[in-house]
Amino acid sequence: EIVLTQSPATLSLSPGERATLSCRASQSVSSYLGWYQQKPGQAPRLLIYDASNRATGIPARFSGSGSGTDFTLTISSLEPEDFAVYYCQQRSSWPITFGQGTRLEIK
Amino acid sequence: EVQLVESGGDLVQPGGSLRLSCAASAFTFSTYWMSWVRQAPGKGLEWVANIKEDGSDKYYVDSVKGRFTISRDNAKNSLYLQMSSLRAEDTAVYYCARNLKTTVTTFDFDLWGQGTLVTVSS
Repeated sequence: EIVLTQSPATLSLSPGERATLSCRASQSVSSYLGWYQQKPGQAPRLLIYDASNRATGIPARFSGSGSGTDFTLTISSLEPEDFAVYYCQQRSSWPITFGQGTRLEIK
Repeated sequence: EVQLVESGGDLVQPGGSLRLSCAASAFTFSTYWMSWVRQAPGKGLEWVANIKEDGSDKYYVDSVKGRFTISRDNAKNSLYLQMSSLRAEDTAVYYCARNLKTTVTTFDFDLWGQGTLVTVSS
């Protein structure tokens, strides 16, 4: 099973700042990595698939990069609605696995 | 509106059974892989099972193999999860999710239901 480790566990930033979230895989997942946003009481929302492709309707301030074992989700300028929990997910091999999440909170 | 609506969550005793349903609307259900993903209270996400468009292929996380069965009825635009021999650690919100389809089907999830809560407790 591929283990995904996200860092930091919690990130405290202010609106307008740049956020950089990391996801590291225990073995290569090629580019088969996605990112999700989850707000309290809501279902997750797909932001990025295949490491760098924005899903339908996702604002351009969200971008993804990386390949192999190291990946980054960047939010270029935080909006108030961006404060949430973010998960990475790999689909390179079974079972599909998620990271433990990064909580992005308002500073 | 394109949506998924889960139902069937309940309080059940350890060792018991439960069947979850997911109703799909406003998209061609029969052309998508579908999945169940769960989230224990206050915890992260865990993929549970996938099923191919025509139901011919199914995959499960090891912790539910032999206890859970994913199925679908394309004529009813519905996805199901039959759960048996339930354990306390199966307590979670269960989400129905659609697999993203680009030029090929991927195993990312681009549409989610609101979730249904399963509580396993005596």
